[in-house]
Amino acid sequence: NAGVTQTPKFRVLKTGQSMTLLCAQDMNHEYMYWYRQDPGMGLRLIHYSVGEGTTAKGEVPDGYNVSRLKKQNFLLGLESAAPSQTSVYFCASSPLTGSREQFFGPGTRLTVL
Amino acid sequence: QQQVKQSPQSLIVQKGGISIINCAYENTAFDYFPWYQQFPGKGPALLIAIRPDVSEKKEGRFTISFNKSAKQFSLHIMDSQPGDSATYFCAASTMNRDDKIIFGKGTRLHILP
Repeated sequence: NAGVTQTPKFRVLKTGQSMTLLCAQDMNHEYMYWYRQDPGMGLRLIHYSVGEGTTAKGEVPDGYNVSRLKKQNFLLGLESAAPSQTSVYFCASSPLTGSREQFFGPGTRLTVL
Repeated sequence: QQQVKQSPQSLIVQKGGISIINCAYENTAFDYFPWYQQFPGKGPALLIAIRPDVSEKKEGRFTISFNKSAKQFSLHIMDSQPGDSATYFCAASTMNRDDKIIFGKGTRLHILP
């Protein structure tokens, strides 16, 4: 099992450009999450999904969109990147039953110039 | 009321010493309190978690102490080792899976060799 994988690992964008971050999990988890991590700010939830075809806003959703067309994939989109979106982005997943443990991917480091 | 306050922001401990990280919460509905460990360049990973029906949980050198009346919980790392150097996040949530997990802002722990 690969667990949670994220693509790409690094990306540099210019202000106004768009991009999509891909998260994939092979654990058949129902729940998936996108977080951003900034120094001194901890992990802030951007959007999450409680199942295929569903999405919901987290703590800092502005400037981002998400889609969960397949259970194993959760996409995070930036339509018009801004320097304030420079961050490390983490995807996580968790199962429907049992432990509430969240399994995190390795992260994507995004720089917006 | 949804915040989890974590302190200190950074901590330096001598090898063999005890590392202590504290967290406080306000929402009395929280009933699941995990700690996540994150090494540089990696995603966070669950270290240990506690439910409020016990006051302490120990796994190896890691212990969570929980004070329900004070709405506080802490992580103790006994015999701290250089390999424990990482960022630690406390978190809190309810067991309702549609509720989000709220993370503290993190503590950067450095163990001196």
